[in-house]
Amino acid sequence: TQLLEQSPQFLSIQEGENLTVYCNSSSVFSSLQWYRQEPGEGPVLLVTVVTGGEVKKLKRLTFQFGDARKDSSLHITAAQPGDTGLYLCAGDNTGTASKLTFGTGTRLQVTL
Amino acid sequence: DTEVTQTPKHLVMGMTNKKSLKCEQHMGHRAMYWYKQKAKKPPELMFVYSYEKLSINESVPSRFSPECPNSSLLNLHLHALQPEDSALYLCASSQAPDSYQPQHFGDGTRLSIL
Repeated sequence: TQLLEQSPQFLSIQEGENLTVYCNSSSVFSSLQWYRQEPGEGPVLLVTVVTGGEVKKLKRLTFQFGDARKDSSLHITAAQPGDTGLYLCAGDNTGTASKLTFGTGTRLQVTL
Repeated sequence: DTEVTQTPKHLVMGMTNKKSLKCEQHMGHRAMYWYKQKAKKPPELMFVYSYEKLSINESVPSRFSPECPNSSLLNLHLHALQPEDSALYLCASSQAPDSYQPQHFGDGTRLSIL
């Protein structure tokens, strides 16, 4: 059974601070996705990474896939209240992205 | 606005009731999914439909019965549920099950079992 551990589980920071969320596993993933979920809504895809060592940037968000494709990180620069939400990594090791296993989640709260 | 539409948004039912959750997408996606999400937990995969055929059943109890009438619709029929089945039920779709296309989620149906 795949297991994706995220850390930290909960993070409360002030606007303007930087943060990093980690997603770790002992399994190798053919692709890994990051989602953000807000209360009362479904997860919204932020990025998909498929190549070991890959780095993708989405405005103030930087995503990295580990060289061995077992881990990933999400770095947010100058956090804003709109970044508040549940961040979920999700991995697939079937090569089809059809059977995602979600990470344990990181709940981020950004205050003014 | 999400492109995957789920109805109803909220559902309260007794343990002897029969109800159905509905999911619709018009993006031409050929893979559709049901997930269950408990409070403060990540989504857990229940079923995967690939080209309207059930391809994955994650050992879900038979009181949950999925149905895919056509490529745009996905239903989840509920019967004799237990209080522990109360959760947010999420539907998702992706372009195809054999690609790296991302999954698009609906906003879910919040189900409460009395």
